[in-house]
Amino acid sequence: DGGITQSPKYLFRKEGQNVTLSCEQNLNHDAMYWYRQDPGQGLRLIYYSQIVNDFQKGDIAEGYSVSREKKESFPLTVTSAQKNPTAFYLCASSMARTWGYTFGSGTRLTVV
Amino acid sequence: GNSVTQMEGPVTLSEEAFLTINCTYTATGYPSLFWYVQYPGEGLQLLLKATKADDKGSNKGFEATYRKETTSFHLEKGSVQVSDSAVYFCALAYPSNTGNQFYFGTGTSLTVIP
Repeated sequence: DGGITQSPKYLFRKEGQNVTLSCEQNLNHDAMYWYRQDPGQGLRLIYYSQIVNDFQKGDIAEGYSVSREKKESFPLTVTSAQKNPTAFYLCASSMARTWGYTFGSGTRLTVV
Repeated sequence: GNSVTQMEGPVTLSEEAFLTINCTYTATGYPSLFWYVQYPGEGLQLLLKATKADDKGSNKGFEATYRKETTSFHLEKGSVQVSDSAVYFCALAYPSNTGNQFYFGTGTSLTVIP
């Protein structure tokens, strides 16, 4: 079955460390997205990529980095520069000229 | 700019009650409108959509009508069940040849009690 896989589901990080969240899709979707979800704030766009080797900053890109070396993969690195990284992170993908995102099941990151 | 405003929650209803979750939007063009549902600990799932004015999206007993004159896309269900307990997100998006960027509301938490 096609879908988006995010891993790990739960992640703990010490302050000052970088951590990478994985997002893989086998839907042959062109575009991929990373969102951050905080209580009461809905979803905020971090980065998105519409084609391989290209990506754009979203609304809250500071302290994050991404790469898109393969169509299937869009990893997100939360760097030590991100001041408040504890959140639920959602990856999504979509195909050109069709509607709707497919979301992954999310990664909950906690900084300890 | 583009934005979506949803009614604040949480909303608590008894089983079989009527549900309305209000959603209004601000848009610079002619977006499509969506409702997504998020069950605890999971990602978001598309519930329904409407791509032009006066369209009605429907799925699993939920409905929403794209009202351009009132810039609204309210979600309704005639008789809710305990299994409908989730967070509901209203969103808008524009067509694109390479993908679509969404603008989400803040979400409305619904709890249905037996």
